[in-house]
Amino acid sequence: SAVISQKPSRDICQRGTSLTIQCQVDSQVTMMFWYRQQPGQSLTLIATANQGSEATYESGFVIDKFPISRPNLTFSTLTVSNMSPEDSSIYLCSVVTGRNTEAFFGQGTRLTVV
Amino acid sequence: DQQVKQNSPSLSVQEGRISILNCDYTNSMFDYFLWYKKYPAEGPTFLISISSIKDKNEDGRFTVFLNKSAKHLSLHIVPSQPGDSAVYFCAAVTNFGNEKLTFGTGTRLTIIP
Repeated sequence: SAVISQKPSRDICQRGTSLTIQCQVDSQVTMMFWYRQQPGQSLTLIATANQGSEATYESGFVIDKFPISRPNLTFSTLTVSNMSPEDSSIYLCSVVTGRNTEAFFGQGTRLTVV
Repeated sequence: DQQVKQNSPSLSVQEGRISILNCDYTNSMFDYFLWYKKYPAEGPTFLISISSIKDKNEDGRFTVFLNKSAKHLSLHIVPSQPGDSAVYFCAAVTNFGNEKLTFGTGTRLTIIP
């Protein structure tokens, strides 16, 4: 299993500003994942954060908008840049350990952009 | 294009009865399926999973059924307890081990005491 600490748990931000979300895992993991859950929608994968290389972004998500850092095997950050109200969502980091694809999630960051 | 669908946004069940949550998928390349439970202000937690080579997996009060021909899976909770009230997400993976999850939109389950 894995214990994931994600912060901040919530924030209210002005449009045009940026917010960096941090994710700390209690064990070393190769890949970390960042998801977004918009109101009433499913969890959507934003990108996969690989240690030692650039993040891999899913269709519809770009590095300029969601820059990701992965300085080591236990930590990652996601920045939501130049925010607009449409970025209001819950953002979640996730890791997978073991061979059964069971993913563990942080508690999420509820972002409101005003 | 929603590849994993949970058509019931909410479900209410009497305590002690069976809760059945349904999930449909369109991508025939999915070969591993998972159910997650989410409480407010918390991240999703893993509940139970099933490989595409099986049609049933049971863990205590939770059983997942997979019907590959219908591209349908369901989660049965019996007996339902008040602590089961949460949002349930089904998720699917292609190419077991690539670790990218595709989630459904979730079903909010309310257990009535």
